[in-house]
Amino acid sequence: EVQLVESGGGLVQPGRSLRLSCTASGFTFGDYAMSWFRQAPGKGLEWVGFIRSKAYGGTTEYAASVKGRFTISRDDSKSIAYLQMNSLKTEDTAVYYCTRDPSDFWSGYSVDYYYMDVWGKGTTVTVSS
Amino acid sequence: QSALTQPASVSGSPGQSITISCTGTSSDVGSYNLVSWYQQHPGKAPKLMIYEGSKRPSGVSNRFSGSKSGNTASLTISGLQAEDEADYYCCSYAGSRVFGGGTKLTVL
Repeated sequence: EVQLVESGGGLVQPGRSLRLSCTASGFTFGDYAMSWFRQAPGKGLEWVGFIRSKAYGGTTEYAASVKGRFTISRDDSKSIAYLQMNSLKTEDTAVYYCTRDPSDFWSGYSVDYYYMDVWGKGTTVTVSS
Repeated sequence: QSALTQPASVSGSPGQSITISCTGTSSDVGSYNLVSWYQQHPGKAPKLMIYEGSKRPSGVSNRFSGSKSGNTASLTISGLQAEDEADYYCCSYAGSRVFGGGTKLTVL
């Protein structure tokens, strides 16, 4: 069974750091790009960032709201994607989801992605003093 | 403010059909046939229902269908069932992935 399981969420003070993990199973993890999304309480979905597969350099892209504070990485040997969150703000409070991105396509500038076929159940991050 | 505009709520009776619209611009929905739709039950993760505007993943009921006209994409659910009650989000490629604000579907 294809599955993604997020972990690492919790309560953290503003300005501190937290690292989330996304453990994959049931598919060849290294063949896919992986994304992180978040959903603030009572709000809609927001893309956070993604990491391309090693076939496309394993490079990353981020939403403007987190660029410079969040870093996505991957360990294909362990089938885990990570989201390192630094300088956390109260507005980062949300449920964080990781997803599998199957839709490699050339956007004219880079290899990009446009839909997510597998989602984890999410992990809750609360930033509060 | 979401990049794509969806109605906040729609409702229908069991067996009826409903359509949820997702309006963008010529820079997102209108430029690409890369709209996807996600169903989210309360407290659960989103689930992919439609991708590339009208394609259904394996396992998704054929009661769900997608279409696009100009800058507006639509999700139609036919033969409404109680388990269809959920929030639905559209997503489009626009240089990055952007979402609608979500539509709460109530099955009366």
